[in-house]
Parts: sequence; structure tokens; C-alpha cells
Amino acid sequence: QVQLVQSGAEVKKPGSSVKVSCMTSGGTFTSYAFHWVRQAPGQGLEWVGGIIPIIRTTHYAQRFEGRITINADESTGTVYMELRSLISEDTAVFFCARERQRRDLVGGSFFDFWGQGTLLTVSS
Amino acid sequence: DVRMTQSPSYLSAAVGDRVTITCRASQSISAYLSWYQQTPGKAPKLLIYAASSLQSGVPSRFSGSGSETDFTLTISNLQPEDFATYYCQQSYRIPYTFGQGTKLEIK
Repeated sequence: QVQLVQSGAEVKKPGSSVKVSCMTSGGTFTSYAFHWVRQAPGQGLEWVGGIIPIIRTTHYAQRFEGRITINADESTGTVYMELRSLISEDTAVFFCARERQRRDLVGGSFFDFWGQGTLLTVSS
Repeated sequence: DVRMTQSPSYLSAAVGDRVTITCRASQSISAYLSWYQQTPGKAPKLLIYAASSLQSGVPSRFSGSGSETDFTLTISNLQPEDFATYYCQQSYRIPYTFGQGTKLEIK
């Protein structure tokens, strides 16, 4: 049974950093890409960035470039997202999600399993 | 970036109704389109992938269609647990982008 379990809620001050973890189980870690998706209070879903652990390749949304790092620990099957220089507008729930790719199907790239979400509150 | 536009933003319907949500991409995305359902306080749940493939375990009253730039999600015979917010997402090109969401409310 596939599970993505995220670390707990965080309260941070403006200008500080946060590191959120996403521990995966029940699948072959290196067979997938993993992504982070943000949801500000009362708002929609926003892709933040992703990583392909097997080739250690990352992609980030332009608005976070320079203050975000996503990495992965294959030994524990855990994905991390670090966000620096926090501002109050970063207050949101962050979800990790697993991307499955089905090579036999046109358009077969989708987020099939999600973590439970981690609430980040940035406040002075 | 590929811009995804959903309509309507809000939809009111009754149990047993059939509803359709549309999603338009700003450029062709082939069939790289997924639909997710989200209830308050929960993570999104995958319903449809590759525009029209039903995720395992999802009831058959959910269906998807479309290709290139225009896509639809149809829910037949609405059930109480279907009242939620629905998002489309393209995975054709990074940055992956979501529609703004459609909130389905009980009439």
C-alpha cells in the first residue's frame, strides 16, 4: 500500500527557512518523480517544484527559483522541500505528490498518490 | 507557461443530477490532462488521467473526455459525497499547471 507521510505543521518567522519532509512507502522510490504543490488559504492548487530521484534532476516554479531546494534520500525513500527567506504570503498547506508515468498511454503522466499536507504559517 | 482555465468556477446541483466541468488549455497539451477532487482539509484525489482514463477505485459515474486544448469532466447521478472542488491539471510541460478550480455545491 502506497503512502506518503509528511512532517508536521510549522510556524516560522519572516526571513527564516523551513524544511518539510515527505516519507514514502509501498513503492519503488526510484521509479517515480515527486512533486510539491502549494495551497494558500481558500485558494487553488499551485505546482511548486519536483524531483526525479533516479537522475537527481529538479524543476522549480519560476516564482520560487533561488529560494527553494527539493532533494531526495533514496536510502529512506524521503523527499524534502526547503523554502528560504519566508514571507507571510508563503503561508499555505504544502502537499507532496507522486507522479506516475505510463509509457503505454498518451498523456499517461499524473499524480496518483498524495501526502496529507503540511501547514506552514509565516508570521511575526 | 500553459494556462488552464476551468469553467464554471461555481456550480450548484442536486443529488441525482448530471454535471459537466470544462477545462481549456492555452496551448495543445495532447492528452496530458488529469482531474482531481478535493474536499475541505484533505489532499486532492486523482479521478481521471490521460484525459479519459478512470483511476482505479473511482466510481464509473465520473468520466473525462477531450484532447489538445478542450477537456470535460462529467459526473452522472451526483451523490452526496461528490460535492467538492474539482481541479484540472496539465502534465504536458513543466511548470505543471492547475485550473483555478470548480466548487460543486448542493442545490
